[in-house]
Amino acid sequence: DAGVIQSPRHEVTEMGQEVTLRCKPISGHDYLFWYRQTMMRGLELLIYFNNNVPIDDSGMPEDRFSAKMPNASFSTLKIQPSEPRDSAVYFCASTLAQGEQFFGPGTRLTVL
Amino acid sequence: GENVEQHPSTLSVQEGDSAVIKCTYSDSASNYFPWYKQELGKGPQLIIDIRSNVGEKKDQRIAVTLNKTAKHFSLHITETQPEDSAVYFCAASGTGTASKLTFGTGTRLQVTL
Repeated sequence: DAGVIQSPRHEVTEMGQEVTLRCKPISGHDYLFWYRQTMMRGLELLIYFNNNVPIDDSGMPEDRFSAKMPNASFSTLKIQPSEPRDSAVYFCASTLAQGEQFFGPGTRLTVL
Repeated sequence: GENVEQHPSTLSVQEGDSAVIKCTYSDSASNYFPWYKQELGKGPQLIIDIRSNVGEKKDQRIAVTLNKTAKHFSLHITETQPEDSAVYFCAASGTGTASKLTFGTGTRLQVTL
């Protein structure tokens, strides 16, 4: 298996623009997580899905953030409109039956 | 919710020495404690984990100990090597599942020759 796949790996955008981050979990995994990593706040859980259904989105910072999982092999995290303080590395992770979480390589987002 | 504290934030050891990283957690219901290693430009990778029904677990040069009474757990790396240099994160699941993890703030380990 190729592991968790994230795209793009790097994204540079201007304030106010819409940003969409993409994730393909490991085939067969039933949980998918979105994390954000910054120097100030460390690694934070934003939202997670079980069998494509959002279970806990209490970590989503504000209404500008939204996440979807239309099927078992694809998820998106959207920021609209983006702000400079959204600059961070965003990770997607997946797991099977609450076991080990496998992380993707991350998307480094820079909002100018 | 769960709160995880991790110390030290940076640690420098000489090759061959041991390294110890400590974490405390707040939720007594937590029962799953993984440790992740993150190399530059990569996502965190699980290196070892322990569940609350076990006090210690070892995997070659890496061991984790858990003290549920004191609500703390530690990572021990023996015979450190330069490739052990990375950022290490502890985590705890505050709801009794492995799903929702709360991470510590990380320890940057530098192994010098």
